Amino acid sequence: DTAVSQTPKYLVTQMGNDKSIKCEQNLGHDTMYWYKQDSKKFLKIMFSYNNKELIINETVPNRFSPKSPDKAHLNLHINSLELGDSAVYFCASSPRDLENEQFFGPGTRLTVL
Amino acid sequence: DQQVKQNSPSLSVQEGRISILNCDYTNSMFDYFLWYKKYPAEGPTFLISISSIKDKNEDGRFTVFLNKSAKHLSLHIVPSQPGDSAVYFCAASGTGTASKLTFGTGTRLQVTL
Repeated sequence: DTAVSQTPKYLVTQMGNDKSIKCEQNLGHDTMYWYKQDSKKFLKIMFSYNNKELIINETVPNRFSPKSPDKAHLNLHINSLELGDSAVYFCASSPRDLENEQFFGPGTRLTVL
Repeated sequence: DQQVKQNSPSLSVQEGRISILNCDYTNSMFDYFLWYKKYPAEGPTFLISISSIKDKNEDGRFTVFLNKSAKHLSLHIVPSQPGDSAVYFCAASGTGTASKLTFGTGTRLQVTL
């Protein structure tokens, strides 16, 4: 019954590879997000989708491409992985009338070697 | 450019005492503030929030105080319990950008017996 789930939980890969992280929420929320938490523990928003439409796109390299096949899913695809992409990536969702109160997934720890 | 700052990376408090976690912000456009709690290997969970039209919000053992003139907010936990040991993140959002949260770097609270 996990409200916001992410797969995989851990991802170790070589530089230059392409990888995807999947996110699903079963809360019926309209808005979903991707955040990155780097080694300095900064938690920064990357993207936000509302009903499959991109509404926030922070200054993120275009190697990162979010894809929302439906309202309950927001996947993150990363091309040509670099060492600096190593971080914990969190997916989150929020209801329409309380967008600040976001529900986070458990995170995916990405390590690029 | 850190718009939300938590200057104490860690805090240790005895069980039963008050825990006070502090947060400062620089962006005067922020009008909604939240505290999130994070356990290891889990995503942040929403704890309590406050709108800029208030200066205090209380929920059980948790109270958030907002001082707009000082651009400062604090979270009080009374009485502190061992289960409160976690990392606490302060977050803020501005008018018209409700879904875009800016997070601080967190304060690790340790409640000792």
